[in-house]
Amino acid sequence: TQLLEQSPQFLSIQEGENLTVYCNSSSVFSSLQWYRQEPGEGPVLLVTVVTGGEVKKLKRLTFQFGDARKDSSLHITAAQPGDTGLYLCAGAVRGGGSQGNLIFGKGTKLSVKP
Amino acid sequence: NAGVTQTPKFQVLKTGQSMTLQCAQDMNHEYMSWYRQDPGMGLRLIHYSVGAGITDQGEVPNGYNVSRSTTEDFPLRLLSAAPSQTSVYFCASSSRLAGEVGNEQFFGPGTRLTVL
Repeated sequence: TQLLEQSPQFLSIQEGENLTVYCNSSSVFSSLQWYRQEPGEGPVLLVTVVTGGEVKKLKRLTFQFGDARKDSSLHITAAQPGDTGLYLCAGAVRGGGSQGNLIFGKGTKLSVKP
Repeated sequence: NAGVTQTPKFQVLKTGQSMTLQCAQDMNHEYMSWYRQDPGMGLRLIHYSVGAGITDQGEVPNGYNVSRSTTEDFPLRLLSAAPSQTSVYFCASSSRLAGEVGNEQFFGPGTRLTVL
């Protein structure tokens, strides 16, 4: 069974602080996606990383894919209350041929207080 | 262009009752999926479809049925609801297989189901 461990599970910080969320596995992924989910809504894709060592930036969010394609991180600089939500990572299993090849982590619930 | 729509948004059932959760998409996507989301468990795949007339089981299919008679619609049926099926259910669609590079799954707003 492939597992995708996310940490921390909960994070409560003040506006302006920096934070990092981690996504780790013993499995190798062909790609890894990060989603953000707001209360009462479905997840929305933020980014997909594909190449080992790849770094992508989306405004104040920086996403990194580990060199071995087994882990990823999301770093938020100067967090704002609008960043509040549930952050999910999802890894695509290499060689998978079905919808089940996308494995979701349990999520990190972020709360940014003004 | 509404994307992925789900109805109802909320539902309360008694144990043993049946119901159908509706899902529709207007993006002409071939791939559609049903997930359930439980606290501390992340998203788990229930059933999916790779095109009209083709469905398959995901990680947690027991107690659920699906069919795909059109490209647009992918209903999820609970034949005899159980308290263990209390959850938030999300429907998703995409133009390619879920984990394929460059693919994006679009999720509906969810149905919050409580089984008493």
